[in-house]
Amino acid sequence: GQQVMQIPQYQHVQEGEDFTTYCNSSTTLSNIQWYKQRPGGHPVFLIQLVKSGEVKKQKRLTFQFGEAKKNSSLHITATQTTDVGTYFCAGQGYSTLTFGKGTMLLVSP
Amino acid sequence: DTAVSQTPKYLVTQMGNDKSIKCEQNLGHDTMYWYKQDSKKFLKIMFSYNNKELIINETVPNRFSPKSPDKAHLNLHINSLELGDSAVYFCASSQDSFRRGLHLIFGSGTRLTVV
Repeated sequence: GQQVMQIPQYQHVQEGEDFTTYCNSSTTLSNIQWYKQRPGGHPVFLIQLVKSGEVKKQKRLTFQFGEAKKNSSLHITATQTTDVGTYFCAGQGYSTLTFGKGTMLLVSP
Repeated sequence: DTAVSQTPKYLVTQMGNDKSIKCEQNLGHDTMYWYKQDSKKFLKIMFSYNNKELIINETVPNRFSPKSPDKAHLNLHINSLELGDSAVYFCASSQDSFRRGLHLIFGSGTRLTVV
């Protein structure tokens, strides 16, 4: 079945440092979605990437979808304490949406 | 005004009991889901209903039974609760099914603790 691997599992940064999480699928995806879950909260949809090589930005967040549509990354520039949480990628196959295990981001002031 | 609401927020119960979690969405979405998030934060889909019809039924013990009385509601009933059922259960909805590539709106979760 479809597998989605996400690394790193955990990252602790100082405020102002950059952060990147990577997502790799075992199969070609029709799209990839990113969600953020704050501590004690629920996953919240951030963005969806559909096209091969697509890059989208949301303020300090940059999302990329690989050329082969099997990998993706989320990069945060100059992290802030409000960025704390777990970031999940979710790969859309033919009929399933498979979540990665998430990357937990801790930001120290 | 909550888009996807589930109740209760917390549920503490003894092993062997039967319990239900309710979910309602006011978004007019056609598809609803139940996800289980374990202590390691892994999000695993359990069930999905599209317009009251079961479309995804993952490998889940048959002690778990979903029920969708209408497309705005999806409830989860759990029989004979076990310690391993302790987790956070999220309800979610989307405008259409996974095949259309639409994203999920999650409820705030129900933290189930079995003692």
